[in-house]
Amino acid sequence: EAGVAQSPRYKIIEKRQSVAFWCNPISGHATLYWYQQILGQGPKLLIQFQNNGVVDDSQLPKDRFSAERLKGVDSTLKIQPAKLEDSAVYLCASSPWPVGGNTEAFFGQGTRLTVV
Amino acid sequence: KQEVTQIPAALSVPEGENLVLNCSFTDSAIYNLQWFRQDPGKGLTSLLLIQSSQREQTSGRLNASLDKSSGRSTLYIAASQPGDSATYLCAALGGNKLVFGAGTILRVKS
Repeated sequence: EAGVAQSPRYKIIEKRQSVAFWCNPISGHATLYWYQQILGQGPKLLIQFQNNGVVDDSQLPKDRFSAERLKGVDSTLKIQPAKLEDSAVYLCASSPWPVGGNTEAFFGQGTRLTVV
Repeated sequence: KQEVTQIPAALSVPEGENLVLNCSFTDSAIYNLQWFRQDPGKGLTSLLLIQSSQREQTSGRLNASLDKSSGRSTLYIAASQPGDSATYLCAALGGNKLVFGAGTILRVKS
């Protein structure tokens, strides 16, 4: 089966500019996650969708970050305006859970964002 | 709030050595514990998943164990190889959230 697809792989922008990331999860997966991974740290959850509803966005900086999941499938994460501290790898993951009891999460290759 | 800790933060071993990576979590009410591998500049690759009702899972040279009562999981790598060099992350799924540790950076020297 095809894996989780993310684009772009790399992005360099100046501070105060805007940027958008795209994720296509594995077909049929109900849960979609966006994580931020700063160099040397573990991934931090930004937002979690179940189908097209938000389950958890408690750590999403809502003054600058936004995300949506279109028709419960693809998702976009946007940053506007970007700050230097947003430089990180943005990881998208999907999981069948809670449908069918399979809880395994699968990750995309990530988007490395550099804000200069 | 679930917190996941991994020890050691970094490990360097000679090729052929057996090794153990440790993961601890504060909330034992989890659905599963998943181990991932991350190569530099890449995404996360799932290695093993242990459901809450299981005690261990094995895949090739890898064996992961889970002790919910003590809030611990270990990843055992047998006969390590230079190709095993990567960052290893554990994540606990519980209360609707998948929470990660900071990872263990493993270097296997040839």
